[in-house]
Amino acid sequence: DAGVIQSPRHEVTEMGQEVTLRCKLISGHNSLFWYRQTMMRGLELLIYFNNNVPIDDSGMPEDRFSAKMPNASFSTLKIQPSEPRDSAVYFCASSIGGEKLFFGSGTQLSVL
Amino acid sequence: GQNIDQPTEMTATEGAIVQINCTYQTSGFNGLFWYQQHAGEAPTFLSYNVLDGLEEKGRFSSFLSRSKGYSYLLLKELQMKDSASYLCAASNQAGTALIFGKGTTLSVSS
Repeated sequence: DAGVIQSPRHEVTEMGQEVTLRCKLISGHNSLFWYRQTMMRGLELLIYFNNNVPIDDSGMPEDRFSAKMPNASFSTLKIQPSEPRDSAVYFCASSIGGEKLFFGSGTQLSVL
Repeated sequence: GQNIDQPTEMTATEGAIVQINCTYQTSGFNGLFWYQQHAGEAPTFLSYNVLDGLEEKGRFSSFLSRSKGYSYLLLKELQMKDSASYLCAASNQAGTALIFGKGTTLSVSS
C-alpha cells in the first residue's frame, strides 16, 4: 500500500491567493483527519471525517478554511484567501475508526 | 477542556536510557498514543496504551496510569537515530480524533 498521499509537498503563494491541499487515504480506511503543525502551537486538529461525513470542524481557524471529502478515498483542504499566518505544515492522516493514525508526508505552505 | 503537557526538550547520550513524561487532562479518556517525528518528516506510530501498566516493544516501552492522567515513554539503549520529536496524544472517546501535545525534542549525542 502506498500510504497516505498528500500533494503538493511544498506550496509557496502570495497573500490573498487560493490554496488547495489534497489528500488520498489508505484504501479501506474510513476516517480522515487534517492537522496543522507550527513551532508555536504544535500539531493542531483542524477537522476530521468519519465515512465521508465531517464530525468535528471546531479546529478550523475561520471561514477562510474549508474541507471536503467528495468520495471515500480523497479529501481537499482549501484556504481562500490565504494569509501569511496560515504558513505551516499541513498533515493529512487516515485511520480505521479513528484509532491509530497514519500520516501523509505533509504540505509545507508558505504564504508571502 | 483538553490539555496535554510534556517537556519541550531533553538530551541524552548514546547507550543511555531516557524517560519522556506526559500528563493529560481530557473531558473523557479512551487511550494514550506516542508518535515519533523526525525533522522534516511525518509523525509515525510508536505505541498505544488503553489499560494501566507497561507495554514493551523492543527498545521502547510506554506506561499509563489512568487514575493519575500520566504516561511515559521509555527509550533504552539510545542510538543517534533516536534523535527526534516524541509526541504524546490522547483520544477522549473511541473513534474521535487524537489531541496531541507539543512534543518533546530529544537530542542524542555520542
